[in-house]
Amino acid sequence: EVQLVESGGGLAQPGGSLRLSCAASGFTFRDYSINWVRQAPGKGLEWVSFISDSTSETLYYADSVRGRFTTSRDNAKNSVYLQMNSLRDEDTAVYYCARVKGPQLASAYLDYWGQGALVTVSS
Amino acid sequence: QSVLTQPPSVSAAPGQKVTISCSGSSSNIGNNYVSWYQQFPGTAPKLLIYDNNKRPSGIPDRFSGSKSGTSATLGITGLQTGDEADYYCGTWDTSLSAVAFGGGTKLTVL
Repeated sequence: EVQLVESGGGLAQPGGSLRLSCAASGFTFRDYSINWVRQAPGKGLEWVSFISDSTSETLYYADSVRGRFTTSRDNAKNSVYLQMNSLRDEDTAVYYCARVKGPQLASAYLDYWGQGALVTVSS
Repeated sequence: QSVLTQPPSVSAAPGQKVTISCSGSSSNIGNNYVSWYQQFPGTAPKLLIYDNNKRPSGIPDRFSGSKSGTSATLGITGLQTGDEADYYCGTWDTSLSAVAFGGGTKLTVL
């Protein structure tokens, strides 16, 4: 059974840092790209970042987080990480990791999602 | 403001049909595949439609997807109260090198 489990959420101060983890199981992790998607309270889905599978490890970021957030993966641990620095109030959201399916970005879709991790940025 | 435009809400009676539109541009919907996601309050989104019109295993055929030009549509027939949820369209935006989501549509089954 495919599973994605986020951890590391919590309370951080503005300007602070937090690191989220996404632990994967039930599939050959290194063969899949992973997205981070967030959802602010009462708002819609907002894409955060994309890390490709191990063949290229291509990275993409949303403008709103580029330069502050860094996505990485450790295939030995079947995990993806989201390092969040210089946090702002508007980063408060539930953060989901999601597996990417599809042969290329033009046809990619998110077939499995984690349960989400809440990040609250507040002083 | 979302790259893809969806109506904030739609409603219909049980048993009826509803459609949810998703409008984009040539850099996203016009040249890439569209997927749709269903989300109930407090839970993670779930894949409903991929590759414009394909359903994952376990998704009933009451749900359908279509695409024409720079717009896509999600259709739901035989509406049930259990279909009340938020629905999001998504695709890759080639110009932005980013995943684009619609703002979401809240479905109410009256």
